[in-house]
Amino acid sequence: EVQLVESGGGLVKPGGSLRLSCAASGLTVSKAWIHWVRQAPGKGLEWVGRVKSETSGGTISHAAPVQGRFTISRDDSANTLYLQMNSLKTEDTGVYYCFTEYGNDGYWGQGTLVTVSS
Amino acid sequence: QSALTQPPSASGSPGQSVTISCTGTSGDVGGYNYVSWYQQHPGKVPKLLIYEVVKRPSGVPDRFSGSKSGNTASLTVSGLQAEDEADYYCLSYAGINTLFGGGTKLTVL
Repeated sequence: EVQLVESGGGLVKPGGSLRLSCAASGLTVSKAWIHWVRQAPGKGLEWVGRVKSETSGGTISHAAPVQGRFTISRDDSANTLYLQMNSLKTEDTGVYYCFTEYGNDGYWGQGTLVTVSS
Repeated sequence: QSALTQPPSASGSPGQSVTISCTGTSGDVGGYNYVSWYQQHPGKVPKLLIYEVVKRPSGVPDRFSGSKSGNTASLTVSGLQAEDEADYYCLSYAGINTLFGGGTKLTVL
């Protein structure tokens, strides 16, 4: 069974940093396209970025609102995806999810809450 | 790139059919057969209903179907049931990016 488990969220001041983790089991992260998505309180889903599978080139992309501040990386030995978030703004507040569409199904973590506030 | 365009709300009575649209451009919805649809109940994690425009994961009822014409993808929910009341989001591959729709709140009257 595929499981994704996020961790690393918390309360941080504007301008601060956090690193989120997305630990996978039941699939090899290098073989899947895995995305980071966020959802501000009461709002819709917003794509943050993704890593393509190795067979698709392993390319990493970030959405325009986070470009230059957030960095996605992957540790194949730990079978984990990371989201390094720097220069955080109040508008970055929300639940952060990792998800993948793999093997004809979709898998989401339970999400981790990031609150940016002074 | 902007989010894909969905109607903010839709509604129908039990047993009826409802179609939710998702409009993009030739650079996303119209250019690739990689459109997915997600259902999200309040406080819950999104659930995949449709992937690659028309395919359903196992376990998703065939009351849910997807289609695409040009730059617009659609999700049809047939035989509406009370538990279908939720938010629905489309998702499209867009080359270097991936885009979500703004979401549609489906109300079962």
